[in-house]
Amino acid sequence: ETGVTQTPRHLVMGMTNKKSLKCEQHLGHNAMYWYKQSAKKPLELMFVYSLEERVENNSVPSRFSPECPNSSHLFLHLHTLQPEDSALYLCASSQAPGGGGNTEAFFGQGTRLTVV
Amino acid sequence: GENVEQHPSTLSVQEGDSAVIKCTYSDSASNYFPWYKQELGKRPQLIIDIRSNVGEKKDQRIAVTLNKTAKHFSLHITETQPEDSAVYFCAASAPGGGYNKLIFGAGTRLAVHP
Repeated sequence: ETGVTQTPRHLVMGMTNKKSLKCEQHLGHNAMYWYKQSAKKPLELMFVYSLEERVENNSVPSRFSPECPNSSHLFLHLHTLQPEDSALYLCASSQAPGGGGNTEAFFGQGTRLTVV
Repeated sequence: GENVEQHPSTLSVQEGDSAVIKCTYSDSASNYFPWYKQELGKRPQLIIDIRSNVGEKKDQRIAVTLNKTAKHFSLHITETQPEDSAVYFCAASAPGGGYNKLIFGAGTRLAVHP
């Protein structure tokens, strides 16, 4: 699959488990994002990586830990989650032009996470 | 920080009618306003976007208008079809930082009835 690929598509984990979500983009973009999508809520921006450096952390609890080893891959490490963390986690990427103007963000299919 | 309000939360129309979704934003520095469509079980996909240097943009049956003074923008879908049924999200983003900090509205669930 081209574009932005997320794995796994579905994940069920206990509150004491440790798991990781993976995102890979094949678009040559230089910025990657994690969003959380809960029912009846806006898409919430969690983290932003630009040129492999974390540039935004929107008050996300430390039980969520992002990692960006290179410009094509983004991970979200999860540990000791709560049931209210159950949601669809979406990864996105975009290309930041030199002039600073914003461009389209491409989303992955998401990982449906259920915390039991 | 930026805050985006979107209305209505649900919209039901008959096939062939028009649909209008409205959004307001708070950060006057925002200059990029995309609209995404998310079908059930699928990823959000961009359908149209507008930048602050234009007031209106059209692409076939879809148009977006922007009023910078009032800080609101709207999505217009004409001649709606059942395949337009989906959740639509507006977003706003301010420049700078070398990345796209999109802040989304809560979404509008559009149902088009044959």
